[in-house]
Amino acid sequence: GDSVTQMEGPVTLSEEAFLTINCTYTATGYPSLFWYVQYPGEGLQLLLKATKADDKGSNKGFEATYRKETTSFHLEKGSVQVSDSAVYFCALVSQGAQKLVFGQGTRLTINP
Amino acid sequence: DAMVIQNPRYQVTQFGKPVTLSCSQTLNHNVMYWYQQKSSQAPKLLFHYYDKDFNNEADTPDNFQSRRPNTSFCFLDIRSPGLGDAAMYLCATSRDPRGTNEKLFFGSGTQLSVL
Repeated sequence: GDSVTQMEGPVTLSEEAFLTINCTYTATGYPSLFWYVQYPGEGLQLLLKATKADDKGSNKGFEATYRKETTSFHLEKGSVQVSDSAVYFCALVSQGAQKLVFGQGTRLTINP
Repeated sequence: DAMVIQNPRYQVTQFGKPVTLSCSQTLNHNVMYWYQQKSSQAPKLLFHYYDKDFNNEADTPDNFQSRRPNTSFCFLDIRSPGLGDAAMYLCATSRDPRGTNEKLFFGSGTQLSVL
């Protein structure tokens, strides 16, 4: 079945550091890929998405590129801020499916 | 303004005592989902409603039921909670589940404790 694997957390960085959170997936066909973010005390929010191979999703300085050849969708940001502290979830929806499949989440803490 | 509202934020129940979690939405979306999220694990879909059509996941235990009396409200009923049912329960909505790039809108969740 479809699945998503994220790098294990927690991840702790200093402000202005470069961030990478790895995400790989297993799915049939060409799934759509997402990153959701959950700030403390809030629900999950869509951060960015990509719907076909080589697409790059971007939002709030975060980027992720849909790599079909490596089945990956790694999240990157060039300079993180304290306000980026949250839990990040990689997810996919397969073609024709009716549900979002999540990775286990990666907790990110940014220290000033 | 909150668009998907879950109440209460924290719920404590006793082993075996039925409990109901509630979710409401102001988005007028067709689809409402319930996810279970245990600590440090991925959210797991329990079931969803597409309008009035109920869609249960194959591995959702019979102990979990749901009701959707109207477009705005959806309830999660746990008939006999066990210690293993302690988790965060997330409600989400979307306009249509059939698109592969459909965005989901989540509530803040209800953290359920079972004593």
